Amino acid sequence: AQSVAQPEDQVNVAEGNPLTVKCTYSVSGNPYLFWYVQYPNRGLQFLLKYITGDNLVKGSYGFEAEFNKSQTSFHLKKPSALVSDSALYFCASLRGGGYNKLIFGAGTRLAVHP
Amino acid sequence: DSGVTQTPKHLITATGQRVTLRCSPRSGDLSVYWYQQSLDQGLQFLIQYYNGEERAKGNILERFSAQQFPDLHSELNLSSLELGDSALYFCASSVGLGISYNEQFFGPGTRLTVL
Repeated sequence: AQSVAQPEDQVNVAEGNPLTVKCTYSVSGNPYLFWYVQYPNRGLQFLLKYITGDNLVKGSYGFEAEFNKSQTSFHLKKPSALVSDSALYFCASLRGGGYNKLIFGAGTRLAVHP
Repeated sequence: DSGVTQTPKHLITATGQRVTLRCSPRSGDLSVYWYQQSLDQGLQFLIQYYNGEERAKGNILERFSAQQFPDLHSELNLSSLELGDSALYFCASSVGLGISYNEQFFGPGTRLTVL
């Protein structure tokens, strides 16, 4: 069965420091991976996706993610965290083959402290 | 603003009742998805429609149903409501089918509270 795991419920980082939010996946076939962010009382916002090509994917708001096939990981990164990055982050895998449904991880709450 | 609108924003109702949640996709998007977000189940895919036809079903209860109308808006109907149905319900839309067209844009959600 296809699944996505986010091993950390919460990540704390100081403003200005680099941040990493971890995601591992288990899929059959080619992985199609996404990161979304959810701010309080808001819907999910798309950050970036990996479909094929370069393992380093650049997305919105200075975020990037590194696809690692051998480690089945797709970690979200940002070189310098902002307090405004504090939010709930979801990693997701797309079940393709015509279905197109997103399988979400449990989410990781990122707290950036001034 | 994603361009996806959902109404109402909040809904409070009693057990056993029926409610309808409405979603208008982004202009030009043919595919609509419904997701449920709850504390115990996380974010779960419910159902997908493409150009009026059901394309995929996830963990959707038999008490729940959905449809997509000719103008592409969609409605999610929840009946015989139970306390456990209290959740945030999201609608998302994408241009079409296929991997290259599947960046999903999410609406702000409808928060359903069943008392």
